[in-house]
Amino acid sequence: DQQVKQNSPSLSVQEGRISILNCDYTNSMFDYFLWYKKYPAEGPTFLISISSIKDKNEDGRFTVFLNKSAKHLSLHIVPSQPGDSAVYFCAAKGTSYGKLTFGQGTILTVHP
Amino acid sequence: DTEVTQTPKHLVMGMTNKKSLKCEQHMGHRAMYWYKQKAKKPPELMFVYSYEKLSINESVPSRFSPECPNSSLLNLHLHALQPEDSALYLCASSHEAGGQETQYFGPGTRLLVL
Repeated sequence: DQQVKQNSPSLSVQEGRISILNCDYTNSMFDYFLWYKKYPAEGPTFLISISSIKDKNEDGRFTVFLNKSAKHLSLHIVPSQPGDSAVYFCAAKGTSYGKLTFGQGTILTVHP
Repeated sequence: DTEVTQTPKHLVMGMTNKKSLKCEQHMGHRAMYWYKQKAKKPPELMFVYSYEKLSINESVPSRFSPECPNSSLLNLHLHALQPEDSALYLCASSHEAGGQETQYFGPGTRLLVL
């Protein structure tokens, strides 16, 4: 049972345009959501997070939106840069539990 | 500084060998984690240590034995592994295990079991 889903295995975007990565979850106990970026054979790098009490969090070129009623979050990257090309994982956790549950990942390719 | 270090970077071992993976953080975090990641899959939690005590074991086979000697160090002892245990082993840490805490990951150890 996949509690966190990233339905798009890949996304291709032109440099300078917006990248939108989507994530859906099913467990209503999740109250903290994170996005990680990962290069092959490296550990995930933390990008941005959002608490369930917010609907938007912004950090430079990265903005995460949370729609609790739809159990949906998205990561917006604008403007996209070739160095953003990587696998992006959405992850979620509940407050009383240390486990991060990851989505399957989306491969983002930003073309020059 | 959000650095978690892991050694070795790569490890090749036979099915009868005993080896250990090491993880270190100096951020004062009191929760540390082991994850396993297979190719083209997301990381999967193995163990959680909170205040140097094992708090979560995700039904991991006993051939994997975690150890937390102190609040900065986390080891994973490996014995009699199988070829299907070949994967990227990731260590992570956070201020606390519960709450809205961000987990920071190390670069991983790429393990190959022959």
